[in-house]
Amino acid sequence: SQQGEEDPQALSIQEGENATMNCSYKTSINNLQWYRQNSGRGLVHLILIRSNEREKHSGRLRVTLDTSKKSSSLLITASRAADTASYFCATDAATSYDKVIFGPGTSLSVIP
Amino acid sequence: NAGVTQTPKFQVLKTGQSMTLQCAQDMNHNSMYWYRQDPGMGLRLIYYSASEGTTDKGEVPNGYNVSRLNKREFSLRLESAAPSQTSVYFCASRLDRGGYTFGSGTRLTVV
Repeated sequence: SQQGEEDPQALSIQEGENATMNCSYKTSINNLQWYRQNSGRGLVHLILIRSNEREKHSGRLRVTLDTSKKSSSLLITASRAADTASYFCATDAATSYDKVIFGPGTSLSVIP
Repeated sequence: NAGVTQTPKFQVLKTGQSMTLQCAQDMNHNSMYWYRQDPGMGLRLIYYSASEGTTDKGEVPNGYNVSRLNKREFSLRLESAAPSQTSVYFCASRLDRGGYTFGSGTRLTVV
């Protein structure tokens, strides 16, 4: 089974609303990363949060990490149509260097 | 600064044919990776190279081989393509345990 699992699988919101995506994982991590993928394109790195961090911000993005629950959330505030994409969490396991595992992703649609 | 460059962008192969996917990065990253992406399954690691001269298997290595030609280049070879290898292939690189930089992908169809 996969290390990271995003929830929900799909999310549809109106422009201007906030979007929240969650990620759960199974083993101890060194860090957790979030990526965006626009249709037909490569993945783009959004933010990395280390295991000793609890919250991180980057522009309209806010990521939280709860290592006791083995979960993370990505919040996109004031969403825009351009935020429409798939979002993936990726876990960098503490004991498996160079084996970052990606979840199946959340498909976000932002309706203008 | 091109980042990660993959070639070709599209390819159609017949079952049993062979091909090599090329990947090059210009960021002086130590680690390079090959992933495949299939609908609903996220990205699955095929092979990776933690440093020049080393390669290791990922989750789904069967049917593939790799070569880390130098620090910049990491190629993926399909010796005898099968329809199950129809997928989108992504090359990526990173420095230490930071975030990945991905190429734009190769869309491969095996008929």
